[in-house]
Amino acid sequence: NAGVTQTPKFRILKIGQSMTLQCTQDMNHNYMYWYRQDPGMGLKLIYYSVGAGITDKGEVPNGYNVSRSTTEDFPLRLELAAPSQTSVYFCASSPLRASTDTQYFGPGTRLTVL
Amino acid sequence: TQLLEQSPQFLSIQEGENLTVYCNSSSVFSSLQWYRQEPGEGPVLLVTVVTGGEVKKLKRLTFQFGDARKDSSLHITAAQPGDTGLYLCAGLTYNNNDMRFGAGTRLTVKP
Repeated sequence: NAGVTQTPKFRILKIGQSMTLQCTQDMNHNYMYWYRQDPGMGLKLIYYSVGAGITDKGEVPNGYNVSRSTTEDFPLRLELAAPSQTSVYFCASSPLRASTDTQYFGPGTRLTVL
Repeated sequence: TQLLEQSPQFLSIQEGENLTVYCNSSSVFSSLQWYRQEPGEGPVLLVTVVTGGEVKKLKRLTFQFGDARKDSSLHITAAQPGDTGLYLCAGLTYNNNDMRFGAGTRLTVKP
């Protein structure tokens, strides 16, 4: 099993551009999450999903959108990139809610907005 | 400000030494997790603690959840270079029902 895969690994965007960060898991997990990790700030939850067709906001959702059309895929969309969105983005999945079960993280996408 | 404060922020020690890192908050958590993250990779779960006062051991690592469920500690005995990494704690809040991460302790173990 590949686990959680993320693409791309690195991306540089100009202010105002848009892009989609891809996340796929092959473990048939119901729960999926998007986090951003800034230096010295830990991980902050952007959006999460408890199953196909269901998404909800996390701690820092502004400037992002998500969709969950299948169990496997949970893409994160940035519509108008801003320098404040420069960060490392991690996707994660878990069979049950993260607090009681193991979250499996992808390798991350390093995004720079100039 | 972080909901979970981790200390120290950086720690550099020699192989064979013991160390303790801390995760503190003024909030109460229903559960708390510890992760280790290596450069260029995502965090990997080490342990979940759910009961106040709970102690869990994972080989040379000992995790403790505070009696009041507001804090936790990670103790490593006889540290090895392979223990090098960023150690993150994460707690599930009662009011928001979501996971909140600390900023982490970056540990370097020199051979």
